[in-house]
Amino acid sequence: DADVTQTPRNRITKTGKRIMLECSQTKGHDRMYWYRQDPGLGLQLIYYSFDVKDINKGEISDGYSVSRQAQAKFSLSLESAIPNQTALYFCATSDYLSNQPQHFGDGTRLSIL
Amino acid sequence: GQNIDQPTEMTATEGAIVQINCTYQTSGFNGLFWYQQHAGEAPTFLSYNVLDGLEEKGRFSSFLSRSKGYSYLLLKELQMKDSASYLCAVRWENQGGKLIFGQGTELSVKP
Repeated sequence: DADVTQTPRNRITKTGKRIMLECSQTKGHDRMYWYRQDPGLGLQLIYYSFDVKDINKGEISDGYSVSRQAQAKFSLSLESAIPNQTALYFCATSDYLSNQPQHFGDGTRLSIL
Repeated sequence: GQNIDQPTEMTATEGAIVQINCTYQTSGFNGLFWYQQHAGEAPTFLSYNVLDGLEEKGRFSSFLSRSKGYSYLLLKELQMKDSASYLCAVRWENQGGKLIFGQGTELSVKP
């Protein structure tokens, strides 16, 4: 089983809909992250959380919200989806030590029509 | 802001050596990571550098110069499966522990 699991893997929806992307992990990491990736571009940080009571905005948080339901679960919501939020979304986790890498889920491909 | 610069794309021949460069702002630097990402897949961790010098892992090596704000990823004995995007990511002390990713270098390995 994957250590970082994202659901759904693919989603097509319409403009204006509310969408939730879910991420769960079995690595026991405190830190969790949500990124989006557009074709040919790097990863842009949306939100991150260093523990259950900690939520921080990333570079591109407008139009998104998150919930850290437990150490193992971090969900991303698009309150009212718009077409330019069509992208590949990744969840990642890491240990608190600064020399430890982030571990990524397999991604959610989201298309908004 | 904290800028990271990498070449957009590179092409190399199977069996050859390729060097992918990454430059970044030095102020507050606190570690650099290299990731490999095949198209449509998750990034996977390759290497970490925080001190000057070379870190070697099989066919892949990564070098860091803190004073110059410069790193490179060296891939030896290139294989077709090395065709992928290579992402440089930097952690700065004033960024709350998060990573900032460069746009990635798309490497094409040709026969």
